Amino acid sequence: IAGITQAPTSQILAAGRRMTLRCTQDMRHNAMYWYRQDLGLGLRLIHYSNTAGTTGKGEVPDGYSVSRANTDDFPLTLASAVPSQTSVYFCASSPKSGSTDTQYFGPGTRLTVL
Amino acid sequence: GQNIDQPTEMTATEGAIVQINCTYQTSGFNGLFWYQQHAGEAPTFLSYNVLDGLEEKGRFSSFLSRSKGYSYLLLKELQMKDSASYLCAAMDSNYQLIWGAGTKLIIKP
Repeated sequence: IAGITQAPTSQILAAGRRMTLRCTQDMRHNAMYWYRQDLGLGLRLIHYSNTAGTTGKGEVPDGYSVSRANTDDFPLTLASAVPSQTSVYFCASSPKSGSTDTQYFGPGTRLTVL
Repeated sequence: GQNIDQPTEMTATEGAIVQINCTYQTSGFNGLFWYQQHAGEAPTFLSYNVLDGLEEKGRFSSFLSRSKGYSYLLLKELQMKDSASYLCAAMDSNYQLIWGAGTKLIIKP
């Protein structure tokens, strides 16, 4: 089934630990995005990638890093987790960057940092 | 700065009509999106407007006024399954989406 998958579904993490959230899409979309969603706030862009091999910073990039080694995968790493990174994380993709193409979302990862 | 405003919560009755408003302020404008998000699930695309006017898609319609920085989502013949959050997002001049906090719609029988 075409779409975006994310792993894990949920995770409880001790502060200071390193964590990688995985995102894979099979739609051959060029653009991919990582958002966090917190109660009472809109989705906030963490990092994005316009195409394989390139990445860019969004609105809230501090404490997060990404890589885009190929078209399909776009992992998000928290180098040393802090409680303020407790959130629901959504990966999304769209066919082209710099366009009005619709973004399609993965099911999300619920992360709790204690 | 860039900003999206929409009501936090609305309540409506099954079978009725509800209008969810959204006002936006962005650096440049490349269109207005509406997404639906059921609790615990991913946002899913509902509509996109870039020109002024009303776009109808079944029970859902979306309206845009660029001069007023205003959009609304109109849901007709409400069903219980329409209980969800509705997210308004404006696309800025860099083609990045600026998201509202969402409107939680509660449908009562």
